[in-house]
Amino acid sequence: GQQLNQSPQSMFIQEGEDVSMNCTSSSIFNTWLWYKQDPGEGPVLLIALYKAGELTSNGRLTAQFGITRKDSFLNISASIPSDVGIYFCAGQLPNTGNQFYFGTGTSLTVIP
Amino acid sequence: DVKVTQSSRYLVKRTGEKVFLECVQDMDHENMFWYRQDPGLGLRLIYFSYDVKMKEKGDIPEGYSVSREKKERFSLILESASTNQTSMYLCASSLADQPQHFGDGTRLSIL
Repeated sequence: GQQLNQSPQSMFIQEGEDVSMNCTSSSIFNTWLWYKQDPGEGPVLLIALYKAGELTSNGRLTAQFGITRKDSFLNISASIPSDVGIYFCAGQLPNTGNQFYFGTGTSLTVIP
Repeated sequence: DVKVTQSSRYLVKRTGEKVFLECVQDMDHENMFWYRQDPGLGLRLIYFSYDVKMKEKGDIPEGYSVSREKKERFSLILESASTNQTSMYLCASSLADQPQHFGDGTRLSIL
């Protein structure tokens, strides 16, 4: 299957700090998604990106579709304890129907 | 809101048993997917379906089969469960070319 490299694998940060994570691929994607998974739950969609260079915000979260179409970034500003969870990127290759490929996840721990 | 419901949150079965994991969605989505999630490996696609009675293999179909007799229901079957199939199983659904919506997962343990 397609490989998406997501980094970092884990982060431990103080409450109030900003967070950055990214996802890269050797292939060009036409859609990038970012999900969050709370402990014991399924992933929930945070942000969807459909155009190269697109910058989209959802509250304190901002995601960008890289210009090369091979990467995407997620930033969380002023982190709070409920930001704890695993964040996944997902990408869709052109002309592959409805299949998305997922990164291995970034585990975020916020220390109060 | 889209609702994807997986029949069990936790399941414990024995090696060699035939195991059924059920998933139902209430939004008339064409597409349904089964993934397994393991630490450090992310989500890996087992099988997916674009329509009733239609199925496609994902990246790791070995040891699994699926059934989609009705549009809203997609079942994952472990024909003869083995300990290496202990995992978290996630079902998802979507409209064509739209993001997937996930259920809460079934944590399956094979003893």
